[in-house]
Amino acid sequence: GIQVEQSPPDLILQEGANSTLRCNFSDSVNNLQWFHQNPWGQLINLFYIPSGTKQNGRLSATTVATERYSLLYISSSQTTDSGVYFCAVHSGGYQKVTFGTGTKLQVIP
Amino acid sequence: EPEVTQTPSHQVTQMGQEVILRCVPISNHLYFYWYRQILGQKVEFLVSFYNNEISEKSEIFDDQFSVERPDGSNFTLKIRSTKLEDSAMYFCAEEDYGYTFGSGTRLTVV
Repeated sequence: GIQVEQSPPDLILQEGANSTLRCNFSDSVNNLQWFHQNPWGQLINLFYIPSGTKQNGRLSATTVATERYSLLYISSSQTTDSGVYFCAVHSGGYQKVTFGTGTKLQVIP
Repeated sequence: EPEVTQTPSHQVTQMGQEVILRCVPISNHLYFYWYRQILGQKVEFLVSFYNNEISEKSEIFDDQFSVERPDGSNFTLKIRSTKLEDSAMYFCAEEDYGYTFGSGTRLTVV
């Protein structure tokens, strides 16, 4: 099956700093989503982004499907951004998504 | 914004017991899913449910698991005889231009 790798696995940021999280996938995908898992375990959909660039406040995402990667940008980070960020992809004829390995982000005051 | 509701939020059960996890989707979406996440690990696909039938399932979803939509709205995941390794967070999800996940049920098997 498709492999989805994220980097870095762990990231510690000072509040106010910017960061870029990366998601690489091993095969072509139909679509890609980014999720934030907060410290209570909830999975929040950030972006549905099969290609191109989208922005939502301090967050933006870019997917380059032909090169099999996606990037999530976090600007002016806040402590509430802490948690684990997952990308997840649909591939082939399947409706399920395959989750990446995750990036655990800690934003310190 | 409408939410996908899961109950219970946390369940502790003894090994060998049956558990039923419940999910109330938003409404009228075609595809429903169950995923699980063992503590500290990535989210894993269990089963997809389309038009009241299983459309796809993973290797994890063995004969101990079953899914139903008993009343056309609620959506359940049953584990017949729980094992220690079934301890995990279980999420239901529905799809409409992206996934919306429920708040999850933390299952602890002791």
